Amino acid sequence: KNEVEQSPQNLTAQEGEFITINCSYSVGISALHWLQQHPGGGIVSLFMLSSGKKKHGRLIATINIQEKHSSLHITASHPRDSAVYICAVTNYGGSQGNLIFGKGTKLSVKP
Amino acid sequence: AAGVIQSPRHLIKEKRETATLKCYPIPRHDTVYWYQQGPGQDPQFLISFYEKMQSDKGSIPDRFSAQQFSDYHSELNMSSLELGDSALYFCASSQGGTSVVTQYFGPGTRLTVL
Repeated sequence: KNEVEQSPQNLTAQEGEFITINCSYSVGISALHWLQQHPGGGIVSLFMLSSGKKKHGRLIATINIQEKHSSLHITASHPRDSAVYICAVTNYGGSQGNLIFGKGTKLSVKP
Repeated sequence: AAGVIQSPRHLIKEKRETATLKCYPIPRHDTVYWYQQGPGQDPQFLISFYEKMQSDKGSIPDRFSAQQFSDYHSELNMSSLELGDSALYFCASSQGGTSVVTQYFGPGTRLTVL
């Protein structure tokens, strides 16, 4: 079983829809990261969370430490949001920076 | 704002050759991480450096070595290349001192081994 599980694996949405991507993890963590990877490979860090909720533009990330679960929400989705969204965690007590990655959710937003 | 720079962006090598990938962190960042992402795979952590010392080691093959220099840039040296080394190699940087930091990723170097 992977230490970081994401769902769904693939997601197709119409422009304007509200999107939720889920991440569950089975290890103790010191932080959870949401990353965005566009075709061609570049990775962008969207959020780093250790508790609560963060918002940046149309993106919202939440984390429930007790339930070991995080969600990434995209409001008013747009075709330019099409990308792979990756959840990654920093293992609690682990050495600095050793991110454990989920397998990603491939999002496609249709106009 | 300055970002993480990786060079080269693309590299093609033959089996058994060597390759050197370079990573230039964001100014004032003292920590560098290397990740490998095979085709259709999630990224895997290879190795990290903090203040020019190795801070953590992941699934880095013995054929690979890396170091961080006095100007904080890092180089990943890969020898006796194998077909399975074909991957996207990401470097990330951060300001160190804690594990709860945001890592900033470079654009990656796509290595193809023929």
